[in-house]
Amino acid sequence: NAGVTQTPKFQVLKTGQSMTLQCAQDMNHNSMYWYRQDPGMGLRLIYYSASEGTTDKGEVPNGYNVSRLNKREFSLRLESAAPSQTSVYFCASSELAEITDTQYFGPGTRLTVL
Amino acid sequence: AQSVTQLDSHVSVSEGTPVLLRCNYSSSYSPSLFWYVQHPNKGLQLLLKYTSAATLVKGINGFEAEFKKSETSFHLTKPSAHMSDAAEYFCVVSRVNNRLAFGKGNQVVVIP
Repeated sequence: NAGVTQTPKFQVLKTGQSMTLQCAQDMNHNSMYWYRQDPGMGLRLIYYSASEGTTDKGEVPNGYNVSRLNKREFSLRLESAAPSQTSVYFCASSELAEITDTQYFGPGTRLTVL
Repeated sequence: AQSVTQLDSHVSVSEGTPVLLRCNYSSSYSPSLFWYVQHPNKGLQLLLKYTSAATLVKGINGFEAEFKKSETSFHLTKPSAHMSDAAEYFCVVSRVNNRLAFGKGNQVVVIP
């Protein structure tokens, strides 16, 4: 059981470039999430998917798009990267979208936009 | 709106001494509360959670937290720090829209 996996682990982009962050979970969870973590701040929700086929905006969705490819996979796309998107990105999953459910986190992707 | 306050962004403790990380929250209803730990270059891992059952919650690795509604607090404690406890700790509160609000974190350093 790998849990939640994310690729790549590190990425450096130039302003204006695009990229997709990949996330997969093998726990048969229904709900998946994308967060960003900036220094001195807690995690902030970018997008989430309560179940396969649905996606919703979180607190900070501007500049991002997501795709829930199937039950296992949830990708995050930056269409035109900006320096303000330099951050650590975490994917998480939970069995249901209930707020009491434990979220399981991946190891993160460290993204630098120059 | 629900928010979380974690004081003391950096906490140093000597190995073998107690750990206390303070968390206060504001909420218009009785929320669920969580503590997550993040070791260097790792994802977050759940330590413990409160979901309206017993107010004293025991978690992994000897940690526990007590929900005090009158004080709107959910402080995390451990009787004796271990070197492996060096990490960042996040207090998290549920929101009415089924989302989570994360505190800014406590960076814990354990001194041998």
